[in-house]
Amino acid sequence: AQSVTQLGSHVSVSEGALVLLRCNYSSSVPPYLFWYVQYPNQGLQLLLKYTTGATLVKGINGFEAEFKKSETSFHLTKPSAHMSDAAEYFCAVSDSGTSYGKLTFGQGTILTVHP
Amino acid sequence: GAVVSQHPSRVICKSGTSVKIECRSLDFQATTMFWYRQFPKKSLMLMATSNEGSKATYEQGVEKDKFLINHASLTLSTLTVTSAHPEDSSFYICSAPDVPGYTFGSGTRLTVV
Repeated sequence: AQSVTQLGSHVSVSEGALVLLRCNYSSSVPPYLFWYVQYPNQGLQLLLKYTTGATLVKGINGFEAEFKKSETSFHLTKPSAHMSDAAEYFCAVSDSGTSYGKLTFGQGTILTVHP
Repeated sequence: GAVVSQHPSRVICKSGTSVKIECRSLDFQATTMFWYRQFPKKSLMLMATSNEGSKATYEQGVEKDKFLINHASLTLSTLTVTSAHPEDSSFYICSAPDVPGYTFGSGTRLTVV
């Protein structure tokens, strides 16, 4: 069975500061890992995903994440926060070792960006 | 990119009535649709997986008779909340597998009064 733990339900940063959202996973198969962003009362938008290959994954809006198998982590970073980054972020793992199995989500991290 | 259109975005219904939520894949064929429920300030909980032409697979603890899922075609999946009660009030989201991963609908806010 898969599980995802996001450390910190709330993260607050100043505009221009580094954003770091933590995600650890457990999986019995090689994981496919995802980061999604959700704005209030909206669906989820894919930021980036890791399947195989390069462990540093670049996504939209300047976000990137690094897959570290030894640490079972997939932390999301952005060098400089914008006000528009304020949203809730979900880390997820696919259960079948493919892109199309069931997704297991972390509990979410709400990012607040202060002027 | 791929789009999943979900309707309605908001619905208010009276207790005891039924509500249907539709998810359509607009520019791709979705043989599978995942249905999630999201409680306030909580993560997404997978309710069921629908497959075109076959019965949906429900997660443990989800009432099949209350949450009817139909996947009538390769572009349409529906979730019907039957005999709705206030505790069914929630945010419901559908998702279809697609390149590069999964495409989510915009969600339906259901309020049962």
